[in-house]
Amino acid sequence: DTAVSQTPKYLVTQMGNDKSIKCEQNLGHDTMYWYKQDSKKFLKIMFSYNNKELIINETVPNRFSPKSPDKAHLNLHINSLELGDSAVYFCASSQRQGAGEQYFGPGTRLTVT
Amino acid sequence: GENVEQHPSTLSVQEGDSAVIKCTYSDSASNYFPWYKQELGKRPQLIIDIRSNVGEKKDQRIAVTLNKTAKHFSLHITETQPEDSAVYFCAASGGGGAGKSTFGDGTTLTVKP
Repeated sequence: DTAVSQTPKYLVTQMGNDKSIKCEQNLGHDTMYWYKQDSKKFLKIMFSYNNKELIINETVPNRFSPKSPDKAHLNLHINSLELGDSAVYFCASSQRQGAGEQYFGPGTRLTVT
Repeated sequence: GENVEQHPSTLSVQEGDSAVIKCTYSDSASNYFPWYKQELGKRPQLIIDIRSNVGEKKDQRIAVTLNKTAKHFSLHITETQPEDSAVYFCAASGGGGAGKSTFGDGTTLTVKP
């Protein structure tokens, strides 16, 4: 069974559109994250949720809105997509915040044209 | 907040040589230091980690050392093989800022056969 899964794997869309990426973990972890990896391979945290509660919100445009319906799911909705949003988005989970291995999903490659 | 600097950004070695990647961190409260390997097109995966109560940890050809006083830690890979070619990320967590993990900017390691 896949520990952390994301859908879709690839997403190609036009500027101005709204899109969502879904993430699910079956590890029973309390904490989930969204990371953005740009073309330079830098891995930057965007959001962190602990038991459905938002605990980290980095300097991310408010066009990005995370939603955690339960502690096994963390979705990312992006409004009014821009060219600079093109990147690979990774979901991850850990047993608890800041303590222990993070398990990453396979990534979603978002291309905005 | 935590700041993690990673050097070098690129590293090229001959097969069989050793490779060393170094990271420094700023938050003395950080207590967990993982290293992730990301192969091309894949997700980051943990390869080794160390906690602040330990100075060194080894797992076959890879080892990590931690100097809490100087606030730096290093990844050592011996007898490198072409399959070690990847991007390596260090991270520091467990300190302030809700205990989030802060990643270094990554090191692209190339092992030439």
